Amino acid sequence: SQQGEEDPQALSIQEGENATMNCSYKTSINNLQWYRQNSGRGLVHLILIRSNEREKHSGRLRVTLDTSKKSSSLLITASRAADTASYFCATDATGNQFYFGTGTSLTVIP
Amino acid sequence: DAGITQSPRHKVTETGTPVTLRCHQTENHRYMYWYRQDPGHGLRLIHYSYGVKDTDKGEVSDGYSVSRSKTEDFLLTLESATSSQTSVYFCAISGGFGANVLTFGAGSRLTVL
Repeated sequence: SQQGEEDPQALSIQEGENATMNCSYKTSINNLQWYRQNSGRGLVHLILIRSNEREKHSGRLRVTLDTSKKSSSLLITASRAADTASYFCATDATGNQFYFGTGTSLTVIP
Repeated sequence: DAGITQSPRHKVTETGTPVTLRCHQTENHRYMYWYRQDPGHGLRLIHYSYGVKDTDKGEVSDGYSVSRSKTEDFLLTLESATSSQTSVYFCAISGGFGANVLTFGAGSRLTVL
């Protein structure tokens, strides 16, 4: 399988806390992306980090990438109830094939 | 989900019957993808297309075929549906190199009895 894995599988936090989820992958990549999926909906792109970048920010999101360890982390700061969703990492090795991890289910308790 | 629609959104069928799922885009994107989503497996790539009549296999292509006769339409066919193909199927589109971010459809839930 070319899939990556997210860790933890499930995460439950209080509103206002930070949420960190991790992604490990298996092959060399061009970039790594994070997507969010609300229950019963399609996935929505959040942020992309290229293989030559180590850290990227977008609003309350911070993504890091360690290509030597083939791992990435997504940090959501000051979480809100609306952040409750599943989060997936996706790796792009060729520019046109995207392989997803197994996802982290985040619950933010108001 | 703007610019990409899947049909049908829900379908129940019986083992052994053929099923076709349709993905339609209005974005004129070059790349189109079919994924299936199952608990514990995340999303797995079935097939993808990089142009009209140009398709390639993903990681779980057995039992599935695809066709793309027009830029805007990408069809996924289960020739003889099995219970193991019960899943939620997502279509996605991408502009390709330099614009390689996926936009997803709303999904098609298929139940094979």
